[in-house]
Amino acid sequence: GAVVSQHPSWVICKSGTSVKIECRSLDFQATTMFWYRQFPKQSLMLMATSNEGSKATYEQGVEKDKFLINHASLTLSTLTVTSAHPEDSSFYICSAPETSGRVYNEQFFGPGTRLTVL
Amino acid sequence: GESVGLHLPTLSVQEGDNSIINCAYSNSASDYFIWYKQESGKGPQFIIDIRSNMDKRQGQRVTVLLNKTVKHLSLQIAATQPGDSAVYFCAENAGRGTGNQFYFGTGTSLTVIP
Repeated sequence: GAVVSQHPSWVICKSGTSVKIECRSLDFQATTMFWYRQFPKQSLMLMATSNEGSKATYEQGVEKDKFLINHASLTLSTLTVTSAHPEDSSFYICSAPETSGRVYNEQFFGPGTRLTVL
Repeated sequence: GESVGLHLPTLSVQEGDNSIINCAYSNSASDYFIWYKQESGKGPQFIIDIRSNMDKRQGQRVTVLLNKTVKHLSLQIAATQPGDSAVYFCAENAGRGTGNQFYFGTGTSLTVIP
């Protein structure tokens, strides 16, 4: 299957700093990527849809000025957590559909990035 | 989002027994569903999918059942093995016409007892 990578896999930062997380589709192009957040022992919560060449669309309740998304190319989306605080500590996961002209596309997930804000 | 994250329910089964994991989805317009397995500290792994024009689909040791009337999915794992211990999520999708987003259910933590 298609491969999605994330970098870094784990980051620890001080409160008030900004952190950038990268999501790459390694062997396919993705005009759309998705960002999820997962707290311990909870489900994945969709944060936003990253669109290549246009603005990201955010789910209700997600602050777009805090979670900046840039879909720089057909293989790269970045999520920047600005002015991070301890409550932003979470597991951030991206996914990308491998589109082949079908209506329904399987999502391929990255391995996740663990963010710890001190 | 379509579903709200809650603390995970748990299921414990003996090795070799069959497991049944249930999921209720929330969007009646969803017409594509995937079951994912997530091991600790890793991203979700695809297990099996089903479209809404089907009510059952079988894979290797796994079967997914879909009941659209009550918006319910189940995942059956035959002859459960210790390597099956993980958290299992169902995800719903209403197709590319709606943005192709997947929304995840609450999840179930499966523990297989050797």
